[in-house]
Amino acid sequence: KQEVTQIPAALSVPEGENLVLNCSFTDSAIYNLQWFRQDPGKGLTSLLLIQSSQREQTSGRLNASLDKSSGRSTLYIAASQPGDSATYLCAVIKAAGNKLTFGGGTRVLVKP
Amino acid sequence: SQTIHQWPATLVQPVGSPLSLECTVEGTSNPNLYWYRQAAGRGLQLLFYSVGIGQISSEVPQNLSASRPQDRQFILSSKKLLLSDSGFYLCASSKAGGPGNEQFFGPGTRLTVL
Repeated sequence: KQEVTQIPAALSVPEGENLVLNCSFTDSAIYNLQWFRQDPGKGLTSLLLIQSSQREQTSGRLNASLDKSSGRSTLYIAASQPGDSATYLCAVIKAAGNKLTFGGGTRVLVKP
Repeated sequence: SQTIHQWPATLVQPVGSPLSLECTVEGTSNPNLYWYRQAAGRGLQLLFYSVGIGQISSEVPQNLSASRPQDRQFILSSKKLLLSDSGFYLCASSKAGGPGNEQFFGPGTRLTVL
């Protein structure tokens, strides 16, 4: 059974510092890995999708890496801003399946 | 990209009452559709997914059911709500054609069962 873990559960940084968010998964047979952002009481916003054949994806200040063999992904957010405060979730789709398995999320607070 | 609508946004219902939550999708045809629940302290859990009209797969046994009467409409229902059905319900969509496509989420429905 696929398990996805995100550590730490919460993170607080001063504005301008780079953010590093970790995601690990137990079964390396995945199709893709997706990073999401969730603001309190809101739905999920897709940030980045990394296919299993890719090593990383970039969008603006966001960069996500994927190491399938070790079962890890890292989301980097450069030069953090107070508006980056949110919960960040990673999720994987296992091969031959349609469902996303989510991690528990990392709640981020960027202090002005 | 896909746009997902959900209603109502919030709902407070008594135990034993029926439930109907609706989700509609714009911007794609024949999408894969999903219902997730996010309960306090329990993370996001897939409840149902559908690859076509009338085709529903259930992930966990529970008090809920799902239906897909039209290509881009997905409905979550219950005949009699339980306290444990409280939570944040999210509808999601992805392009058809494979399991590796990006999933997009709607704004969610906050359900409180009293």
